[in-house]
Amino acid sequence: DGGITQSPKYLFRKEGQNVTLSCEQNLNHDAMYWYRQDPGQGLRLIYYSQIVNDFQKGDIAEGYSVSREKKESFPLTVTSAQKNPTAFYLCASSRPGQDTEAFFGQGTRLTVV
Amino acid sequence: EDQVTQSPEALRLQEGESSSLNCSYTVSGLRGLFWYRQDPGKGPEFLFTLYSAGEEKEKERLKATLTKKESFLHITAPKPEDSATYLCAVTTGGGNKLTFGTGTQLKVEL
Repeated sequence: DGGITQSPKYLFRKEGQNVTLSCEQNLNHDAMYWYRQDPGQGLRLIYYSQIVNDFQKGDIAEGYSVSREKKESFPLTVTSAQKNPTAFYLCASSRPGQDTEAFFGQGTRLTVV
Repeated sequence: EDQVTQSPEALRLQEGESSSLNCSYTVSGLRGLFWYRQDPGKGPEFLFTLYSAGEEKEKERLKATLTKKESFLHITAPKPEDSATYLCAVTTGGGNKLTFGTGTQLKVEL
């Protein structure tokens, strides 16, 4: 079945450590996105990539980094510079074309301990 | 700055009691409006896309409509399995970046 796979589902990190969240898709979508979800707030865009080897900052990119070396993969690194990393992280992808719907993975819940 | 506001924040219905969720938007040129359903601890599930005022889409007990200022998600004769958070999002400008509202948490009781 085609879809978006995020791993791990739960992740615990100590303060001061970097951590990488995995996102893989087999939908053959060009565009991929990372969103962050906090209680009482809408999803906020961290980074997005419309093509391999290219990506742009979203609204809240500080303290995060990404890479897009393969079409199917878009990992997100939460660095120690991110002040409030505890959140629910969602990866999404969309097919080519303007204003097409995005499909989401099941999310990774990151907790800093 | 693009803004998406959803109301109410929470809604409790009895099974079979129809109602509507609202999504109002203030954006510089709407390109698409999207409705998603999200269950606790899961990623959003795509429901509908609307592109122009007057457009309507239906799926089972759900019907989405769009005007120049807002969208409604109508739920007809809801069942407990319709309980979820419903998210509204818009795209403006280039690309498919979504701007989300904060959602309406719907609970349908027997």
